[in-house]
Amino acid sequence: DAGVIQSPRHEVTEMGQEVTLRCKPISGHDYLFWYRQTMMRGLELLIYFNNNVPIDDSGMPEDRFSAKMPNASFSTLKIQPSEPRDSAVYFCASSPRTGPGQPQHFGDGTRLSIL
Amino acid sequence: SQQGEEDPQALSIQEGENATMNCSYKTSINNLQWYRQNSGRGLVHLILIRSNEREKHSGRLRVTLDTSKKSSSLLITASRAADTASYFCATDDPLTTGFQKLVFGTGTRLLVSP
Repeated sequence: DAGVIQSPRHEVTEMGQEVTLRCKPISGHDYLFWYRQTMMRGLELLIYFNNNVPIDDSGMPEDRFSAKMPNASFSTLKIQPSEPRDSAVYFCASSPRTGPGQPQHFGDGTRLSIL
Repeated sequence: SQQGEEDPQALSIQEGENATMNCSYKTSINNLQWYRQNSGRGLVHLILIRSNEREKHSGRLRVTLDTSKKSSSLLITASRAADTASYFCATDDPLTTGFQKLVFGTGTRLLVSP
């Protein structure tokens, strides 16, 4: 079975540019999560969706960040305009609907560098 | 913040030795999970222990949970070079943010030398 697929794997862009990160969750998973990982702050939850609806976006750092999930098989995380401090590895994860304590399945991340 | 803290931050051992990592958290939990992250890859779920469990085994992994001390430990027995990775604990918070939202610890970097 295909796991969570993220694209691109690496992105290098200049400050001020718009960045769009993409995620395809595992088919049949109802929850989708976006995380950011840095050395300083560790792994932080940015936002998560249930059945394509945003449930908790309290981790989104600023209005420059936005996330959408137009259908069950696709989500985007957009940064506009990007800043050097946004440089990090961004992970998408999904989990199935059934019950508490479900493990999350992570993609391999997008390594983002803002120059 | 409920973020778990793990210790040690880094651990270096020889193949065949056992590795023990500890996780402490701050609030009540329903479940605690352990994940592994290989360099340049995403996190992979290893094992889950529920709040009413004290110990759980999976292959060479042994997890303990002490809810009175708000702590957990992950033991990897007979370690192999392939176990080299970072290990994270993750907790939910059923009283505030529900079961699905996890908070990850700071991680332990394990290096297993041949």
